[in-house]
Amino acid sequence: DAGVIQSPRHEVTEMGQEVTLRCKPISGHDYLFWYRQTMMRGLELLIYFNNNVPIDDSGMPEDRFSAKMPNASFSTLKIQPSEPRDSAVYFCASSLDGRETQYFGPGTRLLVL
Amino acid sequence: DAKTTQPPSMDCAEGRAANLPCNHSTISGNEYVYWYRQIHSQGPQYIIHGLKNNETNEMASLIITEDRKSSTLILPHATLRDTAVYYCIVRGRLVNDMRFGAGTRLTVKP
Repeated sequence: DAGVIQSPRHEVTEMGQEVTLRCKPISGHDYLFWYRQTMMRGLELLIYFNNNVPIDDSGMPEDRFSAKMPNASFSTLKIQPSEPRDSAVYFCASSLDGRETQYFGPGTRLLVL
Repeated sequence: DAKTTQPPSMDCAEGRAANLPCNHSTISGNEYVYWYRQIHSQGPQYIIHGLKNNETNEMASLIITEDRKSSTLILPHATLRDTAVYYCIVRGRLVNDMRFGAGTRLTVKP
């Protein structure tokens, strides 16, 4: 298996622009997680899905952030409008079951100017 | 509010065993100990996990004390590629109960 796939790997954008991050989980995994990593706050869980349904989005920082999972093999995390403080590395992870091991993707490094 | 305490950094000589400690004195009976590592600019990589018994896989060994209040991750023959931040995580039954602390930055030196 190719593992969790994320795109793009790097994104540079200007403040106010819309940013869309993409994730393909490991095939057969029913859970998908979005994390954000910054120097100040470390690795934080933003939202997770079970069978394509968002279960807990309490970690999403504000309404500018939204996430979708239209099917079992694809999820997006959108920021609109983006702000410089959104600059971070965003990771997607998936697991077979909610309590099973989570496997992380390579991340998207976002820089908002 | 991580449930674990790890030293911020450690060094290890290449070819020697790296022993990374973790304290988790408030661990509950149904909580697992997980170890991940993050090599620079990569995503966290799963290493090993355990509940009560010692565990071993192709990457490492996990030694959990009898009272389960602490554990040690052992990399038997560290290489330069093992230089990374190692995270010890106590994980309960909730799906979102996987909190990463600051971890231990392990530097393997030639």
